[in-house]
Amino acid sequence: EPEVTQTPSHQVTQMGQEVILRCVPISNHLYFYWYRQILGQKVEFLVSFYNNEISEKSEIFDDQFSVERPDGSNFTLKIRSTKLEDSAMYFCASRQAVVNTEAFFGQGTRLTVV
Amino acid sequence: QKEVEQDPGPLSVPEGAIVSLNCTYSNSAFQYFMWYRQYSRKGPELLMYTYSSGNKEDGRFTAQVDKSSKYISLFIRDSQPSDSATYLCAMKEGGNQFYFGTGTSLTVIP
Repeated sequence: EPEVTQTPSHQVTQMGQEVILRCVPISNHLYFYWYRQILGQKVEFLVSFYNNEISEKSEIFDDQFSVERPDGSNFTLKIRSTKLEDSAMYFCASRQAVVNTEAFFGQGTRLTVV
Repeated sequence: QKEVEQDPGPLSVPEGAIVSLNCTYSNSAFQYFMWYRQYSRKGPELLMYTYSSGNKEDGRFTAQVDKSSKYISLFIRDSQPSDSATYLCAMKEGGNQFYFGTGTSLTVIP
């Protein structure tokens, strides 16, 4: 069964450093998302991406964040200068376009900023 | 801004019990309703997907949507220890953003 894959599973970084979280969405999906979940809190929307551009973003997704689809398979989230409060599970998700369909999530990357 | 409300539990039931999980919401524009299951430190796994009001059944799982009351439910019949997880409701309008509840932690005791 096709699935969304994310790497790495766990990333530890020092405050102020840049991190790139990687995702390979399901191959025939066209909408891509990043969500995050701070420990004990809700899953929160960060950004959606379609046709090589951001289609929606939340207040959380400020200038420190960027997304890219550098090739036909990867979808990345970059945090330029990490803060302690960026520590969270980051989930990538994808869905097919054409009709409104459900989103499938990856297993997540646990980001720890120290 | 509390778009979606969900009782975090924890909920503990004996094996074989019927489990009822619920969410309420305030945005009447929500049209698409989902239930995800999340095991500890894992990604949300889609269980049920429903458009608009009505019931949907898949094996031991039944999802109900009552748009007039802004209330959705997930029922699990013959609950198993492997059902122990956090259950997240999620919903959206016609756009891209999914809005999640806080999740309900369920433990099924053998």
